Amino acid sequence: NAGVMQNPRHLVRRRGQEARLRCSPMKGHSHVYWYRQLPEEGLKFMVYLQKENIIDESGMPKERFSAEFPKEGPSILRIQQVVRGDSAAYFCASSLMTGENEKLFFGSGTQLSVL
Amino acid sequence: RKEVEQDPGPFNVPEGATVAFNCTYSNSASQSFFWYRQDCRKEPKLLMSVYSSGNEDGRFTAQLNRASQYISLLIRDSKLSDSATYLCVVNGEGGGNKLTFGTGTQLKVEL
Repeated sequence: NAGVMQNPRHLVRRRGQEARLRCSPMKGHSHVYWYRQLPEEGLKFMVYLQKENIIDESGMPKERFSAEFPKEGPSILRIQQVVRGDSAAYFCASSLMTGENEKLFFGSGTQLSVL
Repeated sequence: RKEVEQDPGPFNVPEGATVAFNCTYSNSASQSFFWYRQDCRKEPKLLMSVYSSGNEDGRFTAQLNRASQYISLLIRDSKLSDSATYLCVVNGEGGGNKLTFGTGTQLKVEL
């Protein structure tokens, strides 16, 4: 049973390009969370999605960032017109259900580097 | 004030030592508390949940003081393999699985 799969592991983009980060949750999981970890900082919540719905995007920057979790296929975190400050590790997590004690399973992350 | 505060360390300890990490959180409505471990900026992995009554898992003991909004982790008989960053985590506003992470405390266990 594969865990949470993220790809690519490493992504290099030049300023102004678009970055697409993919996350396939664990089999059977319909809840997906995206977190960002800037250098020397803790993980910060970005967005929580269920299939075809954004439930909570309170941690998403207002511009350039979007996320989706379609009925079929992986969840996508999209960053348009990347800037150097977007360089970070982006982690995806999934859970079977939602609840205060529901365990989150994290993917290995995508390290985004903006040149 | 940060939502979850931790001493960043690093804590450099000899093998076999006992080490304690502390954490404070600001949201008194938080209901769930965890310690995660992160190695070299890889994905965080759940170490243990933290319960009001305190709980133990082998060499690891976690305690919660709701009145002081304080969480602790004690590691006994530390091993080289315990070297990592330890993240204090609480469920965020609105509950559910919106976790708020501390910046972590780095532990280095040395021979």
